[in-house]
Amino acid sequence: ILNVEQSPQSLHVQEGDSTNFTCSFPSSNFYALHWYRWETAKSPEALFVMTLNGDEKKKGRISATLNTKEGYSYLYIKGSQPEDSATYLCAFCGGATNKLIFGTGTLLAVQP
Amino acid sequence: EPEVTQTPSHQVTQMGQEVILRCVPISNHLYFYWYRQILGQKVEFLVSFYNNEISEKSEIFDDQFSVERPDGSNFTLKIRSTKLEDSAMYFCASSQGRGYTFGSGTRLTVV
Repeated sequence: ILNVEQSPQSLHVQEGDSTNFTCSFPSSNFYALHWYRWETAKSPEALFVMTLNGDEKKKGRISATLNTKEGYSYLYIKGSQPEDSATYLCAFCGGATNKLIFGTGTLLAVQP
Repeated sequence: EPEVTQTPSHQVTQMGQEVILRCVPISNHLYFYWYRQILGQKVEFLVSFYNNEISEKSEIFDDQFSVERPDGSNFTLKIRSTKLEDSAMYFCASSQGRGYTFGSGTRLTVV
């Protein structure tokens, strides 16, 4: 059974703090690693699709890194803002299939 | 920006009743998916659909479930006889390559 884990489960930070979350996934049969930002009652918003070992992607204050050999990805948020409050999901895509295997998510709350 | 649209946003149904969840994927996408999230659990894959047929399905997707693309734009998930444990948020998604676009989900409550 393929397992994707995220830590921490939840995080409370102050506005302006920088923060990071971890996603661990199977290191074999890797195809892609997805990061999503999900606010309640909205669509999960695609942040990054990462495919290459050592890849680093950036979108504004959010960036992500990928290590496929050891099976982990980090998501960083620099200078957190209250509007960053959401659940951040990672999802592993492996092998010949295009289905996503999700982690449990990290719930981020940013206090003004 | 193109969106995946799901209706209804909420549905309450009696146990044993049939429900149909509807989705309009992005028009030039070829791959379609249903996922669900039971409260407090991980988002889990149900089924993928390509070229008018199921390409993969999970163990959850038993004979009670079916999918259809009836008219070239809609993509539906039918649950024939709902059970209490079918209560979840159901997400539709479509893709063209690696990137997915998700809908905002249908919250199904079975009572």
